[in-house]
Order: sequence, then structure tokens, then C-alpha cells
Amino acid sequence: DIVMTQTPLSSRVTLGQPASMSCRSSQSLVGGDGDTYLSWVHQRPGQPPRVLIYKVSNRLSGVPDRFSGSGAGTDFTLKISRVEAEDVGIYYCMQATESLSFGGGTRVEIK
Amino acid sequence: EVHLGASGGGWVQPGGSLRLSCGASGLIFSDHDMDWVRQAPGKGPEWVGRTRNKPHSYTTQYAASVKGRFSISRDESTNSLLLQMHSLKIEDTAVYYCVVWIAGVAFWGQGSLVTVSS
Repeated sequence: DIVMTQTPLSSRVTLGQPASMSCRSSQSLVGGDGDTYLSWVHQRPGQPPRVLIYKVSNRLSGVPDRFSGSGAGTDFTLKISRVEAEDVGIYYCMQATESLSFGGGTRVEIK
Repeated sequence: EVHLGASGGGWVQPGGSLRLSCGASGLIFSDHDMDWVRQAPGKGPEWVGRTRNKPHSYTTQYAASVKGRFSISRDESTNSLLLQMHSLKIEDTAVYYCVVWIAGVAFWGQGSLVTVSS
């Protein structure tokens, strides 16, 4: 099974300032087809997770461009260029290269 | 627009059974892999299992924690994803989400709460 490890556990950010979080997988997420099935999802309390980024760096339609994903192989990063109030919640990295597994989450709060 | 609607959640005693249903619209149901993912209170998401698309014969895979107790199937007549759960344990208490995969993107339904308690 692929184990996903996220850091930090939580992050308190001033509005308008950047935020960054990392995700590491226990093995390469490059699939047999050459694609890397690493997504970032955002979850607010009481709501289902919502995909922001898929295949490492592709923003889903409607996701603000302040969100960006990068990385390759086993190391990935999600950056928020300027945090807004609606960005609070928990962010999970999620791999679908081999079944499906999730990181432990990074909680983003406003200072 | 893709829409996934869940139903069938509720309360059940340990050892009991429950069936969840997830109705899909806005997509060609047979074209896509679909997953069940659960989230226990205060915890992160946990993959439950998957049914591949029709070209892959709707084959299924399960997490070790539910294998032999849970069964995933599809009802093509109603475009529904089904999760039959048997021998339920207290630790199966969670919100259960259906997820459909479209071009590498996971679209999540609203979720059904399953509570296993005596």
C-alpha cells in the first residue's frame, strides 16, 4: 500500500500571505501510463472534499489561480499565493496511482 | 454537470447489515471507475473500494479492512453505485462518500452517515 505523509499538520496564516504544504509518498506515483495521479483536495467542516488540483499541477475548472501544485515522483507541494478567508479547512493529498490513499491532512487557519 | 446523490445511511447494531446507494447523473455511468470512500468522525478519508468501468468488466477491489464484509456493485438501470455492508463493526461508523473518476479527476458525492452502535 502507498503511504502518504503530509507536513505540516497545521498552519496559521495571515490573510493575504502565502501558505505551502508538502506531501510525500512511500513510492513513486508515476503510473503505467506515464501520468502521476496525485491530487489535492480541500474540505470544510460538514462538507465533502473537493478537488482543487489533479495530476500534480492541473487546476480544476473554477479553482482560483492562487492555488498551484508542483512536484514529481514522490514529493509534491501545494501553494496558496495569497490566503483568503474561504481557504480555511483541511487539505489532503490523495494518490490514485495504486488504489487510493490519503495524506493525514494539513489544517489551515487564519491568524 | 456531474451529480452524485447518496442514500441509505442510518443506524445499525454491530453485526448488522446496511446498503448504501449513490445515484449518478450528468455522465455516462458505465464509462467511469467509481469508488466508495469513508471518513470516520474527526478522521481523514479512507478508501473502501472500487468498481472499474464497463470496459474493465466492472471488476472490484476492496480495502483490507472491509474485504469479505462489503460488496460494491452497480445498477445500470438506475445509474446507481451500491455498497452492501455486512457484519458491521463499531469502527465502520463514518460518512460514506461515492466518488466518480472522470479523466483523472475525482468528483465526490455528498455522503451518507452510517452509525454502528449498540
